[in-house]
Amino acid sequence: DSGVTQTPKHLITATGQRVTLRCSPRSGDLSVYWYQQSLDQGLQFLIQYYNGEERAKGNILERFSAQQFPDLHSELNLSSLELGDSALYFCASSVEGEVEQFFGPGTRLTVL
Amino acid sequence: AQSVSQHNHHVILSEAASLELGCNYSYGGTVNLFWYVQYPGQHLQLLLKYFSGDPLVKGIKGFEAEFIKSKFSFNLRKPSVQWSDTAEYFCAVLMDSNYQLIWGAGTKLIIKP
Repeated sequence: DSGVTQTPKHLITATGQRVTLRCSPRSGDLSVYWYQQSLDQGLQFLIQYYNGEERAKGNILERFSAQQFPDLHSELNLSSLELGDSALYFCASSVEGEVEQFFGPGTRLTVL
Repeated sequence: AQSVSQHNHHVILSEAASLELGCNYSYGGTVNLFWYVQYPGQHLQLLLKYFSGDPLVKGIKGFEAEFIKSKFSFNLRKPSVQWSDTAEYFCAVLMDSNYQLIWGAGTKLIIKP
């Protein structure tokens, strides 16, 4: 158990819909990272937040957005969902000044 | 462009065989290097990391990796694999002050009992 929690564990929805994935980092960690893992694309970095501010952006689609709240939990919003968005979405967190990331168990999103 | 290459996408070995998984990166500056493992149905876990010092680093479960700066490589090794090592292994590199980890595509390792 890494100390990073993600909800929900599984999500099944239809194309065109919008979902929100939630992540709570380890206690004391200020950075939160979001990743997408799919069979065809592998592990893709989406976005990083540090203490509420966006710090780095990866291959995140415009239909996707994220935010980090004052209590440091983060949400990833996915809208206008397409079949190709079906994937495992991981959240990770790290301590300020440390680069090691601790991963959550992931949310498996299935878009039908 | 900065990139990380893992040469083998799938590796199949028998128990007790020796393992070496390749990882190369393209960047001439300072790097921090990681190997993560993802067991079936589980999240990624850190196997080992290199920041500085001895280029041969030891991680959990008998794994080790050697940083060879001249070859831009950080290969993962284990002298004798077990069935429980069946997993996907990811190499990741942090390049200079870039906050973004650059990930390799992963290597799926299957150990035959």
